[in-house]
Amino acid sequence: GAVVSQHPSWVICKSGTSVKIECRSLDFQATTMFWYRQFPKQSLMLMATSNEGSKATYEQGVEKDKFLINHASLTLSTLTVTSAHPEDSSFYICSARDSGPQPQHFGDGTRLSIL
Amino acid sequence: RKEVEQDPGPFNVPEGATVAFNCTYSNSASQSFFWYRQDCRKEPKLLMSVYSSGNEDGRFTAQLNRASQYISLLIRDSKLSDSATYLCVVNDPSGTYKYIFGTGTRLKVLA
Repeated sequence: GAVVSQHPSWVICKSGTSVKIECRSLDFQATTMFWYRQFPKQSLMLMATSNEGSKATYEQGVEKDKFLINHASLTLSTLTVTSAHPEDSSFYICSARDSGPQPQHFGDGTRLSIL
Repeated sequence: RKEVEQDPGPFNVPEGATVAFNCTYSNSASQSFFWYRQDCRKEPKLLMSVYSSGNEDGRFTAQLNRASQYISLLIRDSKLSDSATYLCVVNDPSGTYKYIFGTGTRLKVLA
């Protein structure tokens, strides 16, 4: 089945640090990638939709200058949490899909803890 | 009213039991439907897509009723490893391929 790799899986860093998370589709070309965050016991919340070669579309309430998304190729998207603060601590998950009515396949997530 | 509604559970069932989860969605224009499972502190994994004709994959059967805007998942002969949260997912019909998630239904299969 489709494989999406996310790296790193766990990050602990100090407040003010910027953190970059990578999302790769390993065996298909990801026309679209999505970035989510999930707080404990809550559902996934979509942050932004990313199409290769174009600017990401952010959901309402998500600061695009805070969460920088780059989708430079059909197999790689990155999310950079800039100047992270404790309230940014969360589980960040990417997903990717091929063209057409294909399901999304999720990366294994990045647990971000800001001290 | 939520766009995708699920009973959050938990459903506690003995091993070997049959359990059914239901889900309703509000936008009749939605075209794609899925069940994902999510284990604690892990990413969602695609369990199965849901088709109008109903579909089965081993012990799992999914049904879609477009008239009632209702999706179901049936798990037969439950295993301990089936314990997870089951997410009902509906595509956003705006053409963006975004997902609309239900809150998930927690299942605990007991020995």
